[in-house]
Amino acid sequence: QVQLVQSGAEVKKPGASVKVSCKASGYTFTGYYMHWVRQAPGQGLEWMGRINPNSGGTNYAQKFQGRVTMTRDTSISTAYMELSRLRSDDTAVYYCARGITMVQGVIEYYFDYWGQGTLVTVSS
Amino acid sequence: SYELTQPPSVSVSPGQTARITCSGDALPKQYAYWYQQKPGQAPVLVIYKDSERPSGIPERFSGSSSGTTVTLTISGVQAEDEADYYCQSADSSGTYPGVVFGGGTKLTVL
Repeated sequence: QVQLVQSGAEVKKPGASVKVSCKASGYTFTGYYMHWVRQAPGQGLEWMGRINPNSGGTNYAQKFQGRVTMTRDTSISTAYMELSRLRSDDTAVYYCARGITMVQGVIEYYFDYWGQGTLVTVSS
Repeated sequence: SYELTQPPSVSVSPGQTARITCSGDALPKQYAYWYQQKPGQAPVLVIYKDSERPSGIPERFSGSSSGTTVTLTISGVQAEDEADYYCQSADSSGTYPGVVFGGGTKLTVL
C-alpha cells in the first residue's frame, strides 16, 4: 500500500532554515511527482511546488521562489523540502503529497496520497 | 493569481443533503478536485475530475460541474462527514503549471 511518512516536528528561530523529509513506499518513487502543500494554523491549504523524482526538475509557487528548495534521493525513495529565511508566518503543517498529472490543454495536478504532515513552528 | 471561491460554512442535519460550491473563472476548461480534511488529519481525495469517486469513498459523495461552478454533494449526510472540504484546480496564470485551492468550507452536521 502507498505510504508517505514524514519527519517529525521542528521548532526553528526566525531566519533559520528547515528541511522536511518524506519517505515513500508501496509504489515506484520515480513514477509520480511529489508535491508540497502547507497549512497555517486554522487556515486553508497552500501549494508550494513540486519535484519530478525521476529528473529532479522542480517548479515552485511564485510566493516561495528563492526560499524553497525541493530535492530527492531516489536510492531511499525520499523527497525533501527545505525552506529558508523562516518567518513567524511560516509556522504551519507541511504535507508532502503524491501527484497525479493530467495533460489536456493545460497540465493539471491532483493528489491521491498525502503524508501525515510535519508541524514547523517558527518562534524566537 | 487565480482564485477559487467557497462558502466558509455549510450546515445540515443528519440524513439531509449537503451541497458545497466552488467558483472559478477557469473551471469550464479545467477539472476540479475535492478533499475532505478532519481535524488533525491530512486531506483525503473524495472527488477527482469533477465527478469521479476514488475507490473506498462512499457513494453518497458526488460531484458536478456547471459553467464556472462545481459542486460537491453529500447525500444522506452522516455525523462522520463533519469536516473541512477543499476544492482544488489548476492554476495556469503563471509561467509553469501550478495548483490552487479554495479557501475551504466547514461542514457542520447539526
